[in-house]
Order: sequence, then structure tokens, then C-alpha cells
Amino acid sequence: KNEVEQSPQNLTAQEGEFITINCSYSVGISALHWLQQHPGGGIVSLFMLSSGKKKHGRLIATINIQEKHSSLHITASHPRDSAVYICAVRRSGSARQLTFGSGTQLTVLP
Amino acid sequence: EPEVTQTPSHQVTQMGQEVILRCVPISNHLYFYWYRQILGQKVEFLVSFYNNEISEKSEIFDDQFSVERPDGSNFTLKIRSTKLEDSAMYFCASREETQYFGPGTRLLVL
Repeated sequence: KNEVEQSPQNLTAQEGEFITINCSYSVGISALHWLQQHPGGGIVSLFMLSSGKKKHGRLIATINIQEKHSSLHITASHPRDSAVYICAVRRSGSARQLTFGSGTQLTVLP
Repeated sequence: EPEVTQTPSHQVTQMGQEVILRCVPISNHLYFYWYRQILGQKVEFLVSFYNNEISEKSEIFDDQFSVERPDGSNFTLKIRSTKLEDSAMYFCASREETQYFGPGTRLLVL
């Protein structure tokens, strides 16, 4: 079983829609990251969370430590949001390397 | 904004050849990482490095791999005798609190 599971695998939305991507994990963690990977391959860190909620522009990330679940929300989606969104966890007691989910391919149509 | 850089962006090599992938982490960061992503698969942890030594490594990081910080700025990943299955995108990352990823080196082993 994967330690980090994301859903959905693929998501297509119309411009302006509200988008939610989910992440569940099965290990103890000290933090959870949401990352964005563009078609060229580069990875950008969007959020690092250990509790609660964070907001940056149109992006909102939440985490529920008890339920081992996190969500990434995008409000008023735009075609430039099209990318792969990856959930990655920092396992408790590790040297802080990340364990990655398989990613969610988001396509926002104009 | 400071960033992690990697060279080369692409490398093609023959099976059995040695390759060195180079990274320049963000200057005040102390923790460094190498990850890889085989085409179509999720990102996987290879190795973490702190205080001039490996702090953790994965099962992937066998005797064919080595890392070095030869001077105050570079952080290198060497693959001694490349195999076809080493073809992947290799990401370097460094962190203070949040991990910052380099743009990656796409390695193709023929």
C-alpha cells in the first residue's frame, strides 16, 4: 500500500471552477507539502503544513492530523493552473526527506 | 529570490559510463537532497546530506551512487556505471525549513 495516496489522479475543470485535490497518508508525519510540477518537470513548493490551514492567493491548503488527510483547494481556477499537483509528507523522525504521492494531473480548460 | 540550480539540464550517456550531476544549493541551507523521477512515475527519495555526510539513503541509492560536496557551493551526485534504468529526471533540493527544488537534470542512458 502506498504511504501517500492522492485523489483524483486526473482532473479536468472549466476555467473559474473551484477545485479540490485530496491527499491521505498512513505514516506519522511532522509536515506535509503541496508541490506543483509543470510540464517541463520543475517542482515548486506551494505549501508546507503541520496543522490547520494556509492560504496563498487563490490556493488554500488544509490538514487534519487526526484523520491523516489534507486537501488543496484552488478558487477561480485558470488555465495557467494546469499542472501536476503533488502531495509529499515528511515522515516523523526522518532526516526530513519527503515521501511523495503519485500526483494529480489538473487541466483547466478556457 | 534565491534558487537551487542544476547542471546540466539534459544529459545523454551510454550504458556503463559514469555521470556526475551537479547542484548548487541555496547558500545558507545546510540540508541537501537528491530525488529522482522515472518518466511517468512518482518522485522518489535517493539520499540526504548534512554536515558533509550522508544522513539517510534509500534502497535505490546503492554502491553505484555517491554524493559529494567538493567545495562550499556544489553538491554532486555521481553514478559510477550507468544502467538503462537510471534514465530519469534527477532533482536536487536544499532546505532551511521548506525544501526548495532545482529544475532537474534529465538523464537518458542508451
